Amino acid sequence: QSALTQPASVSGSLGQSITISCTGTSSDVGSYNLVSWYQQHPGKAPKVIIYEGSKRPSGVSNRFSGSKSGNTASLTISGLQAEDEADYYCCSYVGSNIFHVIFGGGTNLTVL
Amino acid sequence: QVHLVQSGAEVKRPGASVKVSCKASGYTFNKYYIHWVRQAPRQGLEWMGVINPTGGKTTYAQKFQGRVTMTRDTSTSTVYMELSSLRSGDTAVYYCARDPVGGGTNFWFDSWGQGTLVTVSS
Repeated sequence: QSALTQPASVSGSLGQSITISCTGTSSDVGSYNLVSWYQQHPGKAPKVIIYEGSKRPSGVSNRFSGSKSGNTASLTISGLQAEDEADYYCCSYVGSNIFHVIFGGGTNLTVL
Repeated sequence: QVHLVQSGAEVKRPGASVKVSCKASGYTFNKYYIHWVRQAPRQGLEWMGVINPTGGKTTYAQKFQGRVTMTRDTSTSTVYMELSSLRSGDTAVYYCARDPVGGGTNFWFDSWGQGTLVTVSS
């Protein structure tokens, strides 16, 4: 099972919006509303920012939003702040005969 | 407040085994599945498997089947991940992570341990 496909890096200026894509297949992203997104700062454990495609956990800024179209999920960060600079990973359940979880390769966000 | 506290860093020889612990507190231990995720240096996240603390049923990623064993001790609210036949490619930070769906899993992780660095080197 290959990793979900994410851009290796994205950048945006303070206050702008950016979108990170996460492309899977009809066996994972396309079939289930079970995509989650994690933010990871250097040397720290990941932190969930979106779950079940578009839901935000309590305490996560509403500047983070998630969506899905076909086999591609997306994370949008609006009003970029310096502290948003981090690595971002998408994650999806893989169904059919496999009980499995798959991550994207990660996207490094630079805030200019 | 949910806390997952993992055991300390390990250095192992190729071919050896390592056992990492993850002690849970702040919630009803039996109610929530625990997943294990690893991250090789400068690499992405990789799911290893999951354990249901009620009954101890496990599901492992195909890549690790035959080499990984996840267990739990309900008396101490601790989950363990043992990886055998270690090779240099197993050098990574290993995380435990809680699934917040009580009694099941929706395959997302709301709380993570601090990570345990396992270094495999001769």
